[in-house]
Amino acid sequence: EVQLLESGGGLAQPGGSLRLSCVASGFTFSAYAMNWVRQTPGKGLEWVSAVSATGSRTYYADSVKGRFTISRDNSKNTVNLQMDSLRDEDTAVYYCAKDPSGSYWGHNWFDPWGQGALVTVST
Amino acid sequence: QFVLTQPPSVSGAPGQRVTISCTGSSSNIGDGYDVHWYQQLPGTAPKLLIYGNSNRPSGVSDRFSGSRSGTSASLAITGLQAEDEGDYYCQTYDSSLNNSIFGGGTKLTVV
Repeated sequence: EVQLLESGGGLAQPGGSLRLSCVASGFTFSAYAMNWVRQTPGKGLEWVSAVSATGSRTYYADSVKGRFTISRDNSKNTVNLQMDSLRDEDTAVYYCAKDPSGSYWGHNWFDPWGQGALVTVST
Repeated sequence: QFVLTQPPSVSGAPGQRVTISCTGSSSNIGDGYDVHWYQQLPGTAPKLLIYGNSNRPSGVSDRFSGSRSGTSASLAITGLQAEDEGDYYCQTYDSSLNNSIFGGGTKLTVV
């Protein structure tokens, strides 16, 4: 069974940092691109970032470019999202999600999704 | 507010058929990009329901079907069941934004 398990969520102050991790199991992790998607009550679902299967290519939404960094460790079946210079509007549940391809093409679907990690940015 | 427009809510009685629309534009659905649909039951993560406009992943009931035409797509649910209550989202790619995008979501109520 394919499973994704996020960790690292919590409370951060504006301007602060948090690091999310997602451990994968049940599939050949190194063969697939991985994504982070976030969900807020007001803005709904928003794709945040993706990393190719090898980790050589990374992609970001404009809203997080320059502040978030995605990376992966294929030896540990893990994808990470380093979130710096956090803003109030980054408050959301963050999901990691598997891509059906080894590369991120933007038009692919996400399946499956992890259970989510809540990130709250507040003073 | 959302590039992909979905009705905020739909409802139907058990056993009935409902459809959820997803309206885009010439830079996304109208440009030929595939549409995917997700189901989010209360307190859970989104789950892939339909991919590539009309394909069901293994394990998804054939009560769910999808279609795409022009700048819109639709999700149909037949034989409504109480367990179908939740939120439904469409997703596609937008060539102007150069991003994967989601609709605002539709809350399905089985009355």
